[in-house]
Amino acid sequence: DIQMTQSPSTLSASVGDRVTITCRASQSINRWLAWYQQKPGKAPNLLIYKASSLESGVPSRFSGSGSGTEFTLTISSLQPDDFATYYCQQYNDYSRTFGQGTKVEIK
Amino acid sequence: QVQLQESGPGLVKPSQTLSLTCTVSGGSISSGNYYWSWIRQPAGKGLEWIGRIYASGSTNYNPSLKRRFTISVDTSKNQFSLKLSSVTAADTAVYYCAREGAGEYNWYFDLWGRGTLVTVSS
Repeated sequence: DIQMTQSPSTLSASVGDRVTITCRASQSINRWLAWYQQKPGKAPNLLIYKASSLESGVPSRFSGSGSGTEFTLTISSLQPDDFATYYCQQYNDYSRTFGQGTKVEIK
Repeated sequence: QVQLQESGPGLVKPSQTLSLTCTVSGGSISSGNYYWSWIRQPAGKGLEWIGRIYASGSTNYNPSLKRRFTISVDTSKNQFSLKLSSVTAADTAVYYCAREGAGEYNWYFDLWGRGTLVTVSS
């Protein structure tokens, strides 16, 4: 199985901060990576697919980059609505695996 | 727009079989453009993909999970279902149904149900 490791596990930031979350794969997944945002008690919401493609309706302050084994999700200017947990997910092989999540908290 | 809604018992006794259904509304499960998946999330933990089904009935399962899961589809009702046998407390989780693209390397989840909490307890 391909293992996905996110860092950090928790991130404290303020409104307006630039925030970066890293996701590393245990083997190359090309660009087959998605990012999701999840708020408490809600289902995850797709933000980014194919490493850097922004899902329709997602604010442009979210961006993704990377290929191979290392990927990043960047929020250019953190907004109050962005405090949530973020997950990466690989879809390079038939077993979809998620990272363990990164919780973005208010500093 | 297309919506997904999970349904099923919230409480299941250990060793019994859990059965959940996901109803697709606003679109056809047989459109051919999507797979239909189940994903679960224990309280306070991460997401685990269980498996998926195509409208034809073709399935794929997470190879890391023991073969206690069965996914089926009923196109006449626009529903797909999950059965999990011999449940234990470790199966307590929120279970989500989700839509996954069927094109090559479109295997991300662009639509989710709200999730349903299943508790395994006597």
